[in-house]
Amino acid sequence: EAGVTQSPTHLIKTRGQQATLRCSPISGHTSVYWYQQALGLGLQFLLWYDEGEERNRGNFPPRFSGRQFPNYSSELNVNALELEDSALYLCASSSGLAGAHGAQYFGPGTRLLVL
Amino acid sequence: KQEVTQIPAALSVPEGENLVLNCSFTDSAIYNLQWFRQDPGKGLTSLLLIQSSQREQTSGRLNASLDKSSGRSTLYIAASQPGDSATYLCAVKEDSNYQLIWGAGTKLIIKP
Repeated sequence: EAGVTQSPTHLIKTRGQQATLRCSPISGHTSVYWYQQALGLGLQFLLWYDEGEERNRGNFPPRFSGRQFPNYSSELNVNALELEDSALYLCASSSGLAGAHGAQYFGPGTRLLVL
Repeated sequence: KQEVTQIPAALSVPEGENLVLNCSFTDSAIYNLQWFRQDPGKGLTSLLLIQSSQREQTSGRLNASLDKSSGRSTLYIAASQPGDSATYLCAVKEDSNYQLIWGAGTKLIIKP
């Protein structure tokens, strides 16, 4: 069974540009979570989607947004990129609201570098 | 506000030793606690998940315990191997929402 996949693996952008990161959950999982792991900092929760809706949001500015598609894959968009947005962005999936308290399974991440 | 602390921040031990990693949390109203490992520059691998009603979980050489009342969890690794070298993270899921609160991790190095 395929795990969580993310693309691209690496992304280089300049300040002010927009970045789009993509995630495909494990087959059968309906919940997708996004996390930011900046260098020297712990994992910070960004967003949680389930059944196409945003269920919870971390303490990030509105320029961090996303969506979940009917096939449960998800996109994270970061607008007006700033240097401090450089980080590893991790996506995780779990088996949905009913099982949202179950384990989260992570993808390999997208490393975003903002120059 | 829930805070998760992992001690030590780094640990280096010879191959073959048994070791314990610690995780503490400030609010005992958790739904579960999960241990992960992260290899350099990579995503996270889920190791063990302990529900709040459980005391421990085991997988191979790994054993995780949970004491909710004291706000502590330990990850015991038996007969350590160089392949166990990684950063180990614990995360708690609060009763009130579906958000994971993360510790900063313990960087483990197993010397051959």
